[in-house]
Amino acid sequence: KAGVTQTPRYLIKTRGQQVTLSCSPISGHRSVSWYQQTPGQGLQFLFEYFSETQRNKGNFPGRFSGRQFSNSRSEMNVSTLELGDSALYLCASSGLAGGETQYFGPGTRLLVL
Amino acid sequence: GENVEQHPSTLSVQEGDSAVIKCTYSDSASNYFPWYKQELGKRPQLIIDIRSNVGEKKDQRIAVTLNKTAKHFSLHITETQPEDSAVYFCAAKGDFGNEKLTFGTGTRLTIIP
Repeated sequence: KAGVTQTPRYLIKTRGQQVTLSCSPISGHRSVSWYQQTPGQGLQFLFEYFSETQRNKGNFPGRFSGRQFSNSRSEMNVSTLELGDSALYLCASSGLAGGETQYFGPGTRLLVL
Repeated sequence: GENVEQHPSTLSVQEGDSAVIKCTYSDSASNYFPWYKQELGKRPQLIIDIRSNVGEKKDQRIAVTLNKTAKHFSLHITETQPEDSAVYFCAAKGDFGNEKLTFGTGTRLTIIP
């Protein structure tokens, strides 16, 4: 099976802009979780989608949002970008809802200037 | 919410020696504990996991132990090799209503040839 893919791989934006990241899970997987990875904070959970519904949400401001489509592909949107949003954004897919046996994508590295 | 602490943050061992990484979690209802390995510039990859009804699990040179009473789990790598050099993350999954992975802050393991 093809692995989890993410696009784009790299992004440079300026403060105040918005960005949309995309994640395609492993075929047959219906759960997609998103994480923010930074050197100081490690992997922080953003949210999980399963069958187009948000099941869990982490402690991030409302500027971070997501959605999932009927084919299980997921997008994450960050509005009004701040310098502190610079990070590696990883998505992970799972065949089960709720966080078990997750397979990560390569990530999108976002730099906010 | 769940809190996962991971120690040490850095670890250097001679090739052939063993390495041990320890994690503690706060939510006694947590029931799934995976370990991920992330090589430089690559995605996190699941290397071993354990569920709360098991005390120990082994896969070749890698083993994980779980002490539910102490809310503590550990990763053991024996006969370390240079390719074991990476950052290792532990995680814990909460129970119903809090089913998300909470990650430790990572351990940078360096194998000295």
